[in-house]
Amino acid sequence: ETGVTQSPTHLIKTRGQQVTLRCSSQSGHNTVSWYQQALGQGPQFIFQYYREEENGRGNFPPRFSGLQFPNYSSELNVNALELDDSALYLCASSFWGGIYEQYFGPGTRLTVT
Amino acid sequence: GNSVTQMEGPVTLSEEAFLTINCTYTATGYPSLFWYVQYPGEGLQLLLKATKADDKGSNKGFEATYRKETTSFHLEKGSVQVSDSAVYFCALISTGTASKLTFGTGTRLQVTL
Repeated sequence: ETGVTQSPTHLIKTRGQQVTLRCSSQSGHNTVSWYQQALGQGPQFIFQYYREEENGRGNFPPRFSGLQFPNYSSELNVNALELDDSALYLCASSFWGGIYEQYFGPGTRLTVT
Repeated sequence: GNSVTQMEGPVTLSEEAFLTINCTYTATGYPSLFWYVQYPGEGLQLLLKATKADDKGSNKGFEATYRKETTSFHLEKGSVQVSDSAVYFCALISTGTASKLTFGTGTRLQVTL
């Protein structure tokens, strides 16, 4: 069974730029959620995708957007990067209709300078 | 809204000591409760879960009991090891929230010889 993978591992961007982060779900899972974890904090829910549509969103502005593909992999896009976007971005996959167990990838560390 | 409150860390213990990390929650409906662990430089790993009142989740010597009357889900381990040093997050999923995990701020555990 393949676990959740994310790419890239680390990324450095400049304020105002755009970034795309990628996530491959664990095999058998059809739902992907994205979380932002600032240093020293708990993860904060960004949004969730199921059947290629957004299915719930946290308190994040529209410049955070996502996609889910037919193979259940997903992308997180962030436009007009701000310094406060520096964080660890975590992807979690799960099976819709299960008992809500979410399995996390190793994360992408984004630094905005 | 939903929220999770954890005891502040760091918690420093000697090897073989007894561990308790307190967690209380506020949620609508009947949440499922989780403990996740994050080792340095890594993503989150699901440690244990409980889906209804009085359930006890357990894994790797860790236990937590879902207490609806006190809205608590305290994490315990009878004898910690140096390898248990990590950050522990209490989290919940409430019904009707698109399987969105709400996390506490995390408790850092450091175990010394």
